Amino acid sequence: DIQMTQSPSSLSASVGDRVTITCRASQSISSYLNWYQQKPGKAPKLLIYAASSLQSGVPSRFSGSGSGTDFTLTISSLQPEDFATYYCQQSYSTPDTFGQGTRLEIK
Amino acid sequence: QVQLQESGPGLVKPSQTLSLTCTVSGGSISSGGYYWSWIRQHPGKGLEWIGYIYYSGSTYYNPSLKSRVTISVDTSKNQFSLKLSSVTAADTAVYYCATRNTGWFDPWGQGTLVTVSS
Repeated sequence: DIQMTQSPSSLSASVGDRVTITCRASQSISSYLNWYQQKPGKAPKLLIYAASSLQSGVPSRFSGSGSGTDFTLTISSLQPEDFATYYCQQSYSTPDTFGQGTRLEIK
Repeated sequence: QVQLQESGPGLVKPSQTLSLTCTVSGGSISSGGYYWSWIRQHPGKGLEWIGYIYYSGSTYYNPSLKSRVTISVDTSKNQFSLKLSSVTAADTAVYYCATRNTGWFDPWGQGTLVTVSS
């Protein structure tokens, strides 16, 4: 199985901050990397697919980059509704695997 | 807009079989192009892919659960189902159904908590 490792595991930030979350794959996954946002008690929501494509309806302050083994999710200017847990997921090979999550908290 | 809704018992006894159904609305399972998926999340933990099925019946399972998992599809009811046998407390989780499009999961159902307890 391909292991996905996110860093940091948790992060405190303020409204308006620029935030970057990193996801590293245990082997090259090309651009088969997706990002999700999950709020408490809710299902995950797709933000970014294929490493850098913004899902329809997702604000443009979210962006993704990377290929191979190293990927980043950037939020350019944090808004109050962005405080949540973020997960990466690889779809390069079965089984699909997720990172352990990054909890973004209000400072 | 495709929507998914999980249904099934919220409490299952140890050693029994967990059975859940996902009802798809706003689109047809038979339309092709998507894999109909199950994912679970242990309380306070991360996400674990269980498996998915194509409308034709082709299935793909997580090797860690493969011996206990069966996913099936009923195109006449626009539903797909999950069966997980010989459950233990370690199978207590929120179970989500989702559509796998090319490689990503979207949309998701709201999730249903299944507790394994006597």
